[in-house]
Amino acid sequence: AQSVTQPDIHITVSEGASLELRCNYSYGATPYLFWYVQSPGQGLQLLLKYFSGDTLVQGIKGFEAEFKRSQSSFNLRKPSVHWSDAAEYFCAVGAGNQFYFGTGTSLTVIP
Amino acid sequence: DVKVTQSSRYLVKRTGEKVFLECVQDMDHENMFWYRQDPGLGLRLIYFSYDVKMKEKGDIPEGYSVSREKKERFSLILESASTNQTSMYLCASTPPGLDPTGELFFGEGSRLTVL
Repeated sequence: AQSVTQPDIHITVSEGASLELRCNYSYGATPYLFWYVQSPGQGLQLLLKYFSGDTLVQGIKGFEAEFKRSQSSFNLRKPSVHWSDAAEYFCAVGAGNQFYFGTGTSLTVIP
Repeated sequence: DVKVTQSSRYLVKRTGEKVFLECVQDMDHENMFWYRQDPGLGLRLIYFSYDVKMKEKGDIPEGYSVSREKKERFSLILESASTNQTSMYLCASTPPGLDPTGELFFGEGSRLTVL
């Protein structure tokens, strides 16, 4: 069965520091992978997605993610965090016409 | 610009009331979804629909029903609201299949409080 694990419930980083959010998935075939961001009181917005090809994908707002098949991971990174990046981040796997979400990582950015 | 609109951002209802949550998308998408979001639990799929008048149960359909009479509109119905249905409800849509550009487009959410 498909599943997505985000092991970090909450992360706090200083503004300007680098960020890595972890995501591990379980899926039998080649996965379609997504990262979404949710600002407080809002819906989810797509940051980036991986379908095939280059395993390092670039997204909006300066985010990138790397697909590592051997580790079943799709970690999200940003070299320098801005205060406006404070939000909830969700990793998801697409399978057929369905999507499976992790439980999310809440990011706090301190000045 | 693509848009998924949830008509009610905030609702307060009483136990036992019938509740309708409406979702409209303007992208001519076939697939529509209703998720429930709770802290620590992420997004859980309630129901989804691949076409008009078609529905499929998700992971937590108990206590909910849906209606899709038109392609652009997908409604979530709580026949008799209970306090444990207090939550954020998210509607989403996507074109059929995931390749090559499929992604979920989300509405802004409907926060329901049941007293």
